[in-house]
Amino acid sequence: EDKVVQSPLSLVVHEGDTVTLNCSYEVTNFRSLLWYKQEKKAPTFLFMLTSSGIEKKSGRLSSILDKKELFSILNITATQTGDSAIYLCASSMDSNYQLIWGAGTKLIIKP
Amino acid sequence: NAGVTQTPKFRILKIGQSMTLQCTQDMNHNYMYWYRQDPGMGLKLIYYSVGAGITDKGEVPNGYNVSRSTTEDFPLRLELAAPSQTSVYFCASSRGLEETQYFGPGTRLLVL
Repeated sequence: EDKVVQSPLSLVVHEGDTVTLNCSYEVTNFRSLLWYKQEKKAPTFLFMLTSSGIEKKSGRLSSILDKKELFSILNITATQTGDSAIYLCASSMDSNYQLIWGAGTKLIIKP
Repeated sequence: NAGVTQTPKFRILKIGQSMTLQCTQDMNHNYMYWYRQDPGMGLKLIYYSVGAGITDKGEVPNGYNVSRSTTEDFPLRLELAAPSQTSVYFCASSRGLEETQYFGPGTRLLVL
C-alpha cells in the first residue's frame, strides 16, 4: 500500500531555532515529492523534488530528497513566529496524477 | 477509517458536458474543501464548507457548484465543462479551520 509518513507530528521550538521536518514515502512508481505550508484555509506550495541529492532553497527554507532511502527533509533556519503552520508533504506517482499525502507536522514557534 | 475518498480517479469530458466529483470523509470533520491543482502550480481553493448546509466560495469558484447535505459528503459539480477546467481536483477535510487538512488522492479531469 502506498503511503507517506511525516515526523514528528508536532514540534514546538523557540524563535531563532533551526528545525528539520521529515517525510518518508513508500510509493509505487514514484515521480516527485511536494512540500506545502498550511496556514488557515489553503496550503501553499513550497517545493517539488524529483531528483535525489539536489537541494532546493527558498530563503530560510530548504529541502532535499533521498530516493535511495525514500525520504525527504524540510529545513527551516532562524525560525520566526510566522513559520508556525502545518507542513504537509505529498508524493506523486508516474502512473497517475494522484497524490499520496502525509498527515502533516504541526510546527509552533514560540517568541 | 478510510479517511477522505474521491471518485472517479480519472475522467475525460467533452466541452459542455457536466459531471459530479464525489468526496466522502469518515472522520466526522466539519470542514471540507475542494481544490484544483494545475501543472506546476499550487493548490487553489474552489469552495469550502464549514458544516452541513453551509458552503462558501474560495479563490476560483466560477464554473463550479457544491452542496453539503451531510457531514460526510461534499460533491463538486461542473455544469458546462470547459478546457480551462482540465486539472487535478483534491478534496480535503479538517476538524477545524486551522487544523490539519486530510486530503483525498485526487481526481484527474481532462476536458477536450
